[in-house]
Amino acid sequence: GAVVSQHPSWVICKSGTSVKIECRSLDFQATTMFWYRQFPKQSLMLMATSNEGSKATYEQGVEKDKFLINHASLTLSTLTVTSAHPEDSSFYICSIFGGGVFYSTDTQYFGPGTRLTVL
Amino acid sequence: KNQVEQSPQSLIILEGKNCTLQCNYTVSPFSNLRWYKQDTGRGPVSLTIMTFSENTKSNGRYTATLDADTKQSSLHITASQLSDSASYICVVTVNSGNTPLVFGKGTRLSVIA
Repeated sequence: GAVVSQHPSWVICKSGTSVKIECRSLDFQATTMFWYRQFPKQSLMLMATSNEGSKATYEQGVEKDKFLINHASLTLSTLTVTSAHPEDSSFYICSIFGGGVFYSTDTQYFGPGTRLTVL
Repeated sequence: KNQVEQSPQSLIILEGKNCTLQCNYTVSPFSNLRWYKQDTGRGPVSLTIMTFSENTKSNGRYTATLDADTKQSSLHITASQLSDSASYICVVTVNSGNTPLVFGKGTRLSVIA
């Protein structure tokens, strides 16, 4: 079964609006969650590391004021794309390292992704 | 610079045939190497994980090899099925405090009847 869920799976919005994407750890608590962005035919690019109870760590070149991350609980992290523009259209994927009893801590488990299209 | 290069970029094979995907990396210090399968519009799913001391590891019809000396890995798919059509991504973990991952661009495999 799924380890990580994302909601919504796809979203279309107008330019200038904000979009929130949720990432949930389903089977164990995750103090750290990772947010990736993937453009067509490109590899995943790490945007930020979300830490429960503290500020997210952003990768170089990622605007923290544009991509707001809130790790509200040990099972939920949200990514809000503020004032979205067409160039923000991409596939956003969250992930966590395994934990609990059944999931290897050496393996990163990815969510199903959220397809964002900004018109 | 830490990099992961995969080849070929894309591959088309007939159902039932075998294929081998390649991954070369220049990552140091090396922690482990993973192969992921990513279906179109979905998140990646782990196939195998290999550490420095492991040469080969199998998961059903998938067999991964690792040569830590030449910094090469391969993923061999046996008796391909239509459902094997996906992108296969090689991911190398850097052995540092925050364990960053270095992703390859993937090989797009299409299995046709």
